[in-house]
This record gives sequence, structure tokens and C-alpha cells, in this order.
Amino acid sequence: DAKTTQPTSMDCAEGRAANLPCNHSTISGNEYVYWYRQIHSQGPQYIIHGLKNNETNEMASLIITEDRKSSTLILPHATLRDTAVYYCIVRVRGVNNAGNMLTFGGGTRLMVKP
Amino acid sequence: SAVISQKPSRDICQRGTSLTIQCQVDSQVTMMFWYRQQPGQSLTLIATANQGSEATYESGFVIDKFPISRPNLTFSTLTVSNMSPEDSSIYLCSVQGQGRYEQYFGPGTRLTVT
Repeated sequence: DAKTTQPTSMDCAEGRAANLPCNHSTISGNEYVYWYRQIHSQGPQYIIHGLKNNETNEMASLIITEDRKSSTLILPHATLRDTAVYYCIVRVRGVNNAGNMLTFGGGTRLMVKP
Repeated sequence: SAVISQKPSRDICQRGTSLTIQCQVDSQVTMMFWYRQQPGQSLTLIATANQGSEATYESGFVIDKFPISRPNLTFSTLTVSNMSPEDSSIYLCSVQGQGRYEQYFGPGTRLTVT
């Protein structure tokens, strides 16, 4: 799986958009970009994924650059409950039973402040 | 989504003993994963457990230390054998979603070895 680079930590004011960057310059054509988050004392939670198009769901938006070498996770209106470690992971979509594990890097510790 | 429970949620164990962690899923899943999260660190995959076959261990993890059972499609156990203080971690099980894009994680088992 391609290596990702994320800032160690970020702050965001409550109610503002949180923009979390991720660099994945060695991403392969068949690798997806996944985002997970881990709130303190809980297991990681899936947020969103994408291949090359921008994606949006009820939790967040994912913006992937045209060359796919970087992406940004956007939490449009951050709340205190969004304080967590956010992990950007790139990997091939699981096919049958092969290679489906996630490789977690250090992630970005997002602190949402009142 | 899949709902995953783990038992115990936490335990304090003495050096040299073993602990078996249980993972129960509310639906049938083919692939289950066991991760370790050492204090202040990111998640590291221990092994992949498919029903009906031997678990596949990642580099640095061996079956004698972390035996895994996968008796059916909704249940798995991970045993931490002959524990030492270095085994103090959170142990998480995870399953792949039906769409094979996302993974779901249990709440984790917080193990302290004294």
C-alpha cells in the first residue's frame, strides 16, 4: 500500500470547516483513498473513501486532486465530538479475500475548540 | 454496517499468564482482523482470520504468542500468551463490510500486564 503523510495535529474552531490534508504521492492507479477516525477510547470509524472523483456523505467530503497525489477531508461544520485522530489510508479495494487489511499511519490529531 | 462486541473490555493480568479476547459480530463475515494499538501509537495489524483456514500473521507476530480461533462466521478469539508488560495494549477486532470498501471495528480490549 502507498505511504501517506499527514500533519501530526490540527486545531479547528467549533462550527467552522475542518480541512485535513493527506499526501499520497506514490498512490497507484487502482488504490483508493480511505479516511477513518478514532475518537478517544473507541475503535476506528469509517468515514469516507474515493478513487478519483470527489465524494460526499453525511459525515464529510473528500476532495482528491486531479493527479491523485493528495486529498483533503472536509468536515463542513466541526463540533466538539469531531475531536479525534483522523487516518488517511490508501489501498486497493478488497477483492475476494486478498489484501484487505488496513495499514494505519500516525494520523492527524484534530482538536475542535469552543 | 456491522456491530462488533469484544470481551473483556479491559483486564489487568500478571506477567506469564494468558488472556483470551472474544470478538462477536452481529452478521456473518468472511474476513476478520485483529489489531494491536500500543499506548500513544497507531494501530498495527496482528493477523487476518478467515473462517475455515489458518490465520495469516503479519511480520513480527507469531501463532505461538497470539493464537487465533475462528470457529464460525460470527466469532473469533485472540489469545495473548505468556504475557509481559510489553503486551500492554488495546486489542481490536475488525471485519470487512459487505461492500468490501469499509471495515468496522470493535470497541477494543484494554490489556494491562503487571
